[in-house]
Amino acid sequence: EAEVAQSPRYKITEKSQAVAFWCDPISGHATLYWYRQILGQGPELLVQFQDESVVDDSQLPKDRFSAERLKGVDSTLKIQPAELGDSAMYLCASSLVTGLSTDTQYFGPGTRLTVL
Amino acid sequence: AQRVTQPEKLLSVFKGAPVELKCNYSYSGSPELFWYVQYSRQRLQLLLRHISRESIKGFTADLNKGETSFHLKKPFAQEEDSAMYYCALSRNAGNMLTFGGGTRLMVKP
Repeated sequence: EAEVAQSPRYKITEKSQAVAFWCDPISGHATLYWYRQILGQGPELLVQFQDESVVDDSQLPKDRFSAERLKGVDSTLKIQPAELGDSAMYLCASSLVTGLSTDTQYFGPGTRLTVL
Repeated sequence: AQRVTQPEKLLSVFKGAPVELKCNYSYSGSPELFWYVQYSRQRLQLLLRHISRESIKGFTADLNKGETSFHLKKPFAQEEDSAMYYCALSRNAGNMLTFGGGTRLMVKP
């Protein structure tokens, strides 16, 4: 069964360093989402892509976060510079189409980031 | 702005007891509500959505627009139901989800 892949699974970095996370959605899924989940809280949507275009990035802290999906397939989320408050689980999800809330989102295993 | 509230961080019940995980929401539009579940060492996955009006693994949830609630219920809890449960709301079009803080359900033998 196809799954969303993410790497790395764990990342430890020092504050002010740059980090990058990678996500490979389920083949054929046009829509890709990045969420941040702080310990003890629910996931918070950071950015949504439809193919290679950003649909919504209103919650993405653009001064330090960037996301791209250049060929409309896999995606990279970058933080530069990392801050202590960025420590969290970063989840990627994909769905077949967008604009349909009936379309199920499938989640990856996440990347756990620890900023020291 | 939309908001999803799950008032209980932890719910502990005995096997065979009824379960109700509470979810309240605030949203000015017509919401679509979901329950997601994360079992130990597994990925977050969809459990059910209100528009399907289906029962999954014995769980049901009814959207109450008057009380702005979408509580998840199961008449007889099983140990394998132990997991984190998240209520989520989809705002407008675009399938953008707003999640609640989650409730950890522990079913004791």
